[in-house]
Amino acid sequence: KNEVEQSPQNLTAQEGEFITINCSYSVGISALHWLQQHPGGGIVSLFMLSSGKKKHGRLIATINIQEKHSSLHITASHPRDSAVYICAVDSGGGADGLTFGKGTHLIIQP
Amino acid sequence: DAEITQSPRHKITETGRQVTLACHQTWNHNNMFWYRQDLGHGLRLIHYSYGVQDTNKGEVSDGYSVSRSNTEDLPLTLESAASSQTSVYFCASSEHNRRYTGELFFGEGSRLTVL
Repeated sequence: KNEVEQSPQNLTAQEGEFITINCSYSVGISALHWLQQHPGGGIVSLFMLSSGKKKHGRLIATINIQEKHSSLHITASHPRDSAVYICAVDSGGGADGLTFGKGTHLIIQP
Repeated sequence: DAEITQSPRHKITETGRQVTLACHQTWNHNNMFWYRQDLGHGLRLIHYSYGVQDTNKGEVSDGYSVSRSNTEDLPLTLESAASSQTSVYFCASSEHNRRYTGELFFGEGSRLTVL
């Protein structure tokens, strides 16, 4: 089973700061997901990537397959970005090949 | 717009009672999943289905069952609720095949408390 580690576990930053959340995994994967969960809310898929970089608005996700590492960056952070960010890796082979990290709790203060 | 809905959103029940959590998706996805979310753990897979009449056990399936009689619905049943099943439950769906999960679409979650 893939081991997924996210860092930091908790992050508090000021509005406007550049944010980086990291995800490392132990076994080769077919894809990596970044998810967002607002307090008391549902879970939303932000990115699914298997190589390189993807960008959506102020969010950027990168992955380095050789180093088994991915980062999620938020530029010009805003209080509405406050949420838990979850990394999940797909080792292939079906639904039980998907392993979730414990999440990074981000708070952006005005 | 297509969506995935869960009901009830909140439920309080007593130990030993049977509980069913509903999940309905209008994405026409083949794959459907049930996860539980607890403090200190990542999302953990309870049961999943790749299509009608197909169901499979996940990592934490003991005490739970599912059935898939149509594409849209995957109800989760707790046969005899236990306090250890107090959790937030998420249903999800995706359109990909058995090898790759694909992009996941989640419901809003169902918070279950077993007293």
